[in-house]
Amino acid sequence: SSELTQDPAVSVALGQTVRITCQGDSLRNYFASWYQQKPGQAPTVVIYGRNNRPSGIPDRFSASSSEDTASLTITGAQAEDEADYYCNSRDISGHLYVFGTGTTVTVL
Amino acid sequence: QVHLVESGGGVVPPGTSLRLSCAVSGVNFGSHAMHWVRQAPGKGLEWVAVIAFDGRDDYYAESVRDRFTISRDNSENTLYLQMNSLRGEDTAIYYCARDRGSSWFDPWGQGTLVTVSA
Repeated sequence: SSELTQDPAVSVALGQTVRITCQGDSLRNYFASWYQQKPGQAPTVVIYGRNNRPSGIPDRFSASSSEDTASLTITGAQAEDEADYYCNSRDISGHLYVFGTGTTVTVL
Repeated sequence: QVHLVESGGGVVPPGTSLRLSCAVSGVNFGSHAMHWVRQAPGKGLEWVAVIAFDGRDDYYAESVRDRFTISRDNSENTLYLQMNSLRGEDTAIYYCARDRGSSWFDPWGQGTLVTVSA
């Protein structure tokens, strides 16, 4: 089965930019979606498809991809962006799904 | 507004069975594929299973294949997860989530906790 690898943790100064990456072979064929999870809460989607934000998600969240790596960028990070972030994609077979290992974002 | 509410979690001994439910409202339930995702305590998200909008196709993570069965009742707007031969490593919060057609999950329920322990 496919795997999606993320850096365990990153930190960013308030108002600065941070990029979270997600690497895996399936990303050569499928877009990643990105989920934010705050302590004690269910995950919520922040990016889907090529670079689409659901209603209510601030435009400081954006995504990009290249070959086997997908990236989520927070431009001008705010205190409320401190959370765990997970990527997700179909696996190589196209029938199953896989989540990334998760990245904890700390806003300093 | 779309609303998903899971139920059926609890504490069960290893080797036993449990059935989770996910009641869906605010959307045409029968038009959407549905997923179960779980999260062990202090760990990351793990995709568990998906079922097609009409229930005709389903797929499972290797870790639960042949033990778990996803199903749905479109007349009752309810998703199910039958879990058999439960193991300690199945201990997790189980979330249901709607598939938005481009393989992204939204919304999610609040989750139901399953604890497998003697």
